[in-house]
Amino acid sequence: EPEVTQTPSHQVTQMGQEVILRCVPISNHLYFYWYRQILGQKVEFLVSFYNNEISEKSEIFDDQFSVERPDGSNFTLKIRSTKLEDSAMYFCASRLRQGAYEQYFGPGTRLTVT
Amino acid sequence: AQSVTQLGSHVSVSEGALVLLRCNYSSSVPPYLFWYVQYPNQGLQLLLKYTSAATLVKGINGFEAEFKKSETSFHLTKPSAHMSDAAEYFCAVSDNNAGNMLTFGGGTRLMVKP
Repeated sequence: EPEVTQTPSHQVTQMGQEVILRCVPISNHLYFYWYRQILGQKVEFLVSFYNNEISEKSEIFDDQFSVERPDGSNFTLKIRSTKLEDSAMYFCASRLRQGAYEQYFGPGTRLTVT
Repeated sequence: AQSVTQLGSHVSVSEGALVLLRCNYSSSVPPYLFWYVQYPNQGLQLLLKYTSAATLVKGINGFEAEFKKSETSFHLTKPSAHMSDAAEYFCAVSDNNAGNMLTFGGGTRLMVKP
């Protein structure tokens, strides 16, 4: 069964460094998402992406964050200058098409900022 | 704005007993509702969804949920708990605009006693 994959599974970085989290959505899906879950807190929406542009973003998704679909398979989240409070599990998700409402999630990348 | 409340951050049941995990939502538009399960060190797996068809929805692993508009609820049930059901369960509501971002509840950790 097709699934969303994410790499790396765990990333440790120093405060102020740039990180890129990578996701490969399900191959025929058209909508892509990033969510994050700070330890002990709710899963929070960051951004949605369709047709090579951001369709919606949350207040969390400030200028430090960016997303890109550099080729036909990858979907990346970049954090330009990481802060301690960016430490969280980051989930990528994808959705098939308009009218199909369920999102399929990857296993997550645990980002630790020291 | 949408919101989801899951009553009980921890629920403990005996193996073979009824599982009932509560979810109440708030939405200004007819909602799409979902239950996801997260096993330790894994991503979010879709259990079931409600998207305005039948109000009683059956999912994987013997789980089902009933949409009750008058109570703004979407509680998750399973007649007989199994040890393998021990996990964290998240209720989520989707907005109906183009982004279809998910808003999650705080999660309920289900423990199953032998």
